[in-house]
Amino acid sequence: ETGVTQTPRHLVMGMTNKKSLKCEQHLGHNAMYWYKQSAKKPLELMFVYSLEERVENNSVPSRFSPECPNSSHLFLHLHTLQPEDSALYLCASTRLLAGGVNTGELFFGEGSRLTVL
Amino acid sequence: QKEVEQNSGPLSVPEGAIASLNCTYSDRGSQSFFWYRQYSGKSPELIMFIYSNGDKEDGRFTAQLNKASQYVSLLIRDSQPSDSATYLCAVRGTGGFKTIFGAGTRLFVKA
Repeated sequence: ETGVTQTPRHLVMGMTNKKSLKCEQHLGHNAMYWYKQSAKKPLELMFVYSLEERVENNSVPSRFSPECPNSSHLFLHLHTLQPEDSALYLCASTRLLAGGVNTGELFFGEGSRLTVL
Repeated sequence: QKEVEQNSGPLSVPEGAIASLNCTYSDRGSQSFFWYRQYSGKSPELIMFIYSNGDKEDGRFTAQLNKASQYVSLLIRDSQPSDSATYLCAVRGTGGFKTIFGAGTRLFVKA
């Protein structure tokens, strides 16, 4: 139990489906991240929210849409995905120090394994 | 040039030996350096972080940082079969939230 919970753990969807990935953190952190992990490739940063404001948007296609309604919850809405989007999607959170300084120490959820047919 | 480079391995060491994992990075302004361990089928877990040049020890793990050479390493002493995993080097730049990961080094510790 890492304190960061992701659902669903596995998702299979067609290219025309709409689905969402959910992340919830119970650590009292105030920054949350989405990373994509594909086989034999480095983790790719997708989005970062700090204090519920998006602070990083790493040239991600618009078929991925993040939402951060509060500091404990993060969503990734998926629409019209491609087979190459099949990957492990990892949510992470981190603690901010006084003044909003980012410790950079990431705590990951177990991931959502996405397969696009 | 990759931003964070690691030898993909696999690195194989006998039980009880020292495992040495290396990482280089391209952004000279990088401030924070991390090592994560990822077991097969699991998510990455933070095991060490280092901010200043030199060595930092935590149990069997030692992180080493040389900013002039843009080089970070992780030493695992008395390696155990349970240390077999992929080790990810991660680097955070000046301020901001962008943490860049290497592709990882697979470590096998043979009993």
